[in-house]
Amino acid sequence: TQLLEQSPQFLSIQEGENLTVYCNSSSVFSSLQWYRQEPGEGPVLLVTVVTGGEVKKLKRLTFQFGDARKDSSLHITAAQPGDTGLYLCAGPHTGFQKLVFGTGTRLLVSP
Amino acid sequence: DVKVTQSSRYLVKRTGEKVFLECVQDMDHENMFWYRQDPGLGLRLIYFSYDVKMKEKGDIPEGYSVSREKKERFSLILESASTNQTSMYLCASSLSQGDNSPLHFGNGTRLTVT
Repeated sequence: TQLLEQSPQFLSIQEGENLTVYCNSSSVFSSLQWYRQEPGEGPVLLVTVVTGGEVKKLKRLTFQFGDARKDSSLHITAAQPGDTGLYLCAGPHTGFQKLVFGTGTRLLVSP
Repeated sequence: DVKVTQSSRYLVKRTGEKVFLECVQDMDHENMFWYRQDPGLGLRLIYFSYDVKMKEKGDIPEGYSVSREKKERFSLILESASTNQTSMYLCASSLSQGDNSPLHFGNGTRLTVT
């Protein structure tokens, strides 16, 4: 079974701080996706990383895929209250068009 | 924009009741999924479907069944609801484009079984 572990589980910070969220596995994934889920809504895709070592930026969010394609990180610079939400990483089951999700990191950014 | 609509935001049912959760997508996606979301456990796949009348078990199918009679509609059925099925249920759809196809989620149905 392919598992994705995320850390930390919960993060509470002040506006303007930087933070990093981690997504780790003992399995190799062909790609990883990052989603954000806001209260009362379903998860929404932020980015997909597909190449080992790849770095993608989405405004203040920087996503990195590990060289061995077993892990990924999300770094947020100068966090804002609008970044509050549940961040989920997800990767495809080998040979199937379905995703396995990580345990999630709940981020709270206070003004 | 893809729209995935779940028929109910909140449901309260009694133990032993038969429960239907409905999901409709409007983008002609081949794939549809049902997940449940519980604190600390992330999203766990219950069932998925690649095509009309096709269904595959996910990681936690026990106690659930599904129906896909039309391409746009995927129903989750709890034959006899139990308290351990109290959870947030999320429906999603995707195009059949391989491993990188993103999922488009509905806003969820929070089910409470008393």
